[in-house]
Amino acid sequence: QSALTQPASVSGSPGQSITVSCTGTSSDVGGYNYVSWYQQHPGKAPKLMIYEVSNRPSGVSNRFSGSKSANTASLTISGLQAEDEADYYCSSYASGSILVFGGGTKLTVL
Amino acid sequence: QVQLIESGGGVVQPGRSLRLSCTASGFTLRNYGMHWVRQVPGKGLEWVAGLWSNGNTQDYADSVKGRFTVSRDSSKNTLYLQMNSLRAEDTAIYSCARDMKFYCFDLWGQGTLVTVSS
Repeated sequence: QSALTQPASVSGSPGQSITVSCTGTSSDVGGYNYVSWYQQHPGKAPKLMIYEVSNRPSGVSNRFSGSKSANTASLTISGLQAEDEADYYCSSYASGSILVFGGGTKLTVL
Repeated sequence: QVQLIESGGGVVQPGRSLRLSCTASGFTLRNYGMHWVRQVPGKGLEWVAGLWSNGNTQDYADSVKGRFTVSRDSSKNTLYLQMNSLRAEDTAIYSCARDMKFYCFDLWGQGTLVTVSS
């Protein structure tokens, strides 16, 4: 099972919106609504930001939103803030009862 | 305090075995699915294995299937990862994670480093 495809890096200025894509196949992203997004700051454990494509866990800012179209999921962060600078990973349940992660995207807030 | 603490990492020679532990506090581990995820420092996340809350269903990544076994001891509120026939490519930080619903992890430990080297 191959890793999901994410851009290596994205950037934006404070207040702007950015979108991170996560492309898979019909055997993972396209086949199930079990896509999650994680934020990871250097040296820290990942933090769940979005689950089941578009649901936010309690305590996560509503500036974070998720969506999916066909085999591609997306994470959008609106009103960028300095503290959003981090690595972001998508994951998807896949056929064969496995979980696949994306390669990660480094978000830089300019 | 709700947390997960891993232990058992270290330096091991190729072909040898190692058992990692993940002790939960502040919640009952057997009520949740639990997973192991690894990360080579500076690289991305890789799912390794999962144990469903029923305690019987285990899932594994192809890269570790047949070599790694996930289990738990409910009396100790602890999750384990038995790693056999270790390879250099198994070198990584291993973290345990709690499954909030279905393959989405709302609680992570800080990880324990496993280095496979002769």
